[in-house]
Amino acid sequence: GENVEQHPSTLSVQEGDSAVIKCTYSDSASNYFPWYKQELGKRPQLIIDIRSNVGEKKDQRIAVTLNKTAKHFSLHITETQPEDSAVYFCAASGSGRNTPLVFGKGTRLSVIA
Amino acid sequence: EAGVVQSPRYKIIEKKQPVAFWCNPISGHNTLYWYLQNLGQGPELLIRYENEEAVDDSQLPKDRFSAERLKGVDSTLKIQPAELGDSAVYLCASSPRDRNEQYFGPGTRLTVT
Repeated sequence: GENVEQHPSTLSVQEGDSAVIKCTYSDSASNYFPWYKQELGKRPQLIIDIRSNVGEKKDQRIAVTLNKTAKHFSLHITETQPEDSAVYFCAASGSGRNTPLVFGKGTRLSVIA
Repeated sequence: EAGVVQSPRYKIIEKKQPVAFWCNPISGHNTLYWYLQNLGQGPELLIRYENEEAVDDSQLPKDRFSAERLKGVDSTLKIQPAELGDSAVYLCASSPRDRNEQYFGPGTRLTVT
């Protein structure tokens, strides 16, 4: 089955700097890669996703890149703000519709003002 | 549009007692998922429903866990009897037909003493 590895497990950046979180996956048939943000005690929130027919996607300060050949994808947050502090999870799902997500172990991002 | 609703938000029980969690998905979402999230980890799938049919329950510990979605809308997850190791957050998610995006509820934090 699918296995998703996520790095780093913790990340501290100064406010205004960029943050990058990287994930690798094992199943070459996976074709959907979302990123979730989870604040303490709250639900995981979908912040951006990418499908395997696209190499990059941007939404304001957030971008995701996908390298299918290497089977890795990354989340980029620019101009970080204190409210970006949270745990971020990457995930991957297979080729079937509505297939379950396999999550990474998460990255705790701290933005220092 | 209302999000995924879960209740209760918190539950404390003694080991060997039964417990049940309830989930109401986003209106019109035919796929419903139950995930387990341990502290510091990403969510892990327990069971997936397409309408009222359980189509993926391979990760559900069937000796003590059961779930139902009788009318294809809301769902109940039950544990009987609960063990200390069941302490975790139980997350419900839903997605529209033939779409990958999953939207999570706030979860139920279970503490077994």
